[in-house]
Amino acid sequence: DAKTTQPPSMDCAEGRAANLPCNHSTISGNEYVYWYRQIHSQGPQYIIHGLKNNETNEMASLIITEDRKSSTLILPHATLRDTAVYYCIVRANAGGTSYGKLTFGQGTILTVHP
Amino acid sequence: GAGVSQSPSNKVTEKGKDVELRCDPISGHTALYWYRQSLGQGLEFLIYFQGNSAPDKSGLPSDRFSAERTGGSVSTLTIQRTQQEDSAVYLCASSLAFAGYTFGSGTRLTVV
Repeated sequence: DAKTTQPPSMDCAEGRAANLPCNHSTISGNEYVYWYRQIHSQGPQYIIHGLKNNETNEMASLIITEDRKSSTLILPHATLRDTAVYYCIVRANAGGTSYGKLTFGQGTILTVHP
Repeated sequence: GAGVSQSPSNKVTEKGKDVELRCDPISGHTALYWYRQSLGQGLEFLIYFQGNSAPDKSGLPSDRFSAERTGGSVSTLTIQRTQQEDSAVYLCASSLAFAGYTFGSGTRLTVV
């Protein structure tokens, strides 16, 4: 699976948009971009994923650049409960030897402050 | 159930003892994964199940670690002769084929 690069930490004011970047310059054509987050003392939580089109759900939006070498996770109105470690992962969704395994990096520690 | 259930939630054991950790995946999820997370560290992949078979055991750290899955459902991770470095949170996740994972809340293992 392709490697991702994320900033180690970011801050965001409560109520503002949090934009978390991720570089995945070696992504392959069949690899999706997944975002998970881990709130302290809990298991990771799925947020969103996409292939090449921008995606939006009730939690967040995912913007993927046209060349697919980077993406941004957007939390439109961050709250204190969004403070967590955010992981960007790329993974093939069909066949291959990865078996859909998610390889977690160090992620970005997002701190939302009042 | 509605989510992935893991038991026990906490386990304290003496060095040298064997422990069994249990994972009940979401009903119908064919894929099941075990990860562990040491204090302040990232998630480390241990083993993957598709149905009852384990095509990827590459993350098991030593032969003291083993896992099985029966009936395409419940999985048990066994650690024999526990060592202090085995102390960690052990997380289980399940998914449908290649969809997103759902993680359980984990088992916190402390070896004293």
